[in-house]
Amino acid sequence: EAAVTQSPRNKVAVTGGKVTLSCNQTNNHNNMYWYRQDTGHGLRLIHYSYGAGSTEKGDIPDGYKASRPSQENFSLILELATPSQTSVYFCASAGREQYFGPGTRLTVL
Amino acid sequence: GDKVKQSPSALSLQEGTNSALRCNFSIAATTVQWFLQNPRGSLINLFYLVPGTKENGRLKSAFDSKESYSTLHIRDAQLEDSGTYFCAAEAPGSWQLIFGSGTQLTVMP
Repeated sequence: EAAVTQSPRNKVAVTGGKVTLSCNQTNNHNNMYWYRQDTGHGLRLIHYSYGAGSTEKGDIPDGYKASRPSQENFSLILELATPSQTSVYFCASAGREQYFGPGTRLTVL
Repeated sequence: GDKVKQSPSALSLQEGTNSALRCNFSIAATTVQWFLQNPRGSLINLFYLVPGTKENGRLKSAFDSKESYSTLHIRDAQLEDSGTYFCAAEAPGSWQLIFGSGTQLTVMP
């Protein structure tokens, strides 16, 4: 069974602060993804990666950076968090099928 | 308009009955995946489909690339089938999935 973990699971941040969401996968998948899920919008792609050292912009990249230092790890970085970034964030890895992590609930006050 | 359109948006079933969910695509989808988001929020991969059909227990899914649609049939619905079902399509030359907005399924005793 595919294994994707995320940390932290819950995070409260202040406006203007820096937030880093981490994702780790043990599937040896090349592709990894960051999504956010909001009521009424479903799952929207923020950034993705084809392998260590690569990051690509998804559909809604503004306000987010990504980092893929290794095959296993993919981070999402909010340099200056805003209340509009309050959401649930999912990481996924894929060979063929996409496997999701458990999600991180981020609240920006 | 929506590239991946799911119907219905919500559905209530009695335990033991059958249902069919549908996705229509306005893109030339090459593969389709179906996910269940359970009431705890976890996203579970149900099917990865190239054109054709697959079956797993009480679930059966089909993908017709020529007619641009996919279906998910649930037979003998159980309480644990409740949740939101998402379909997602992969476009040619892309490693990205485009998600539908989901079908919220409630199975009642």
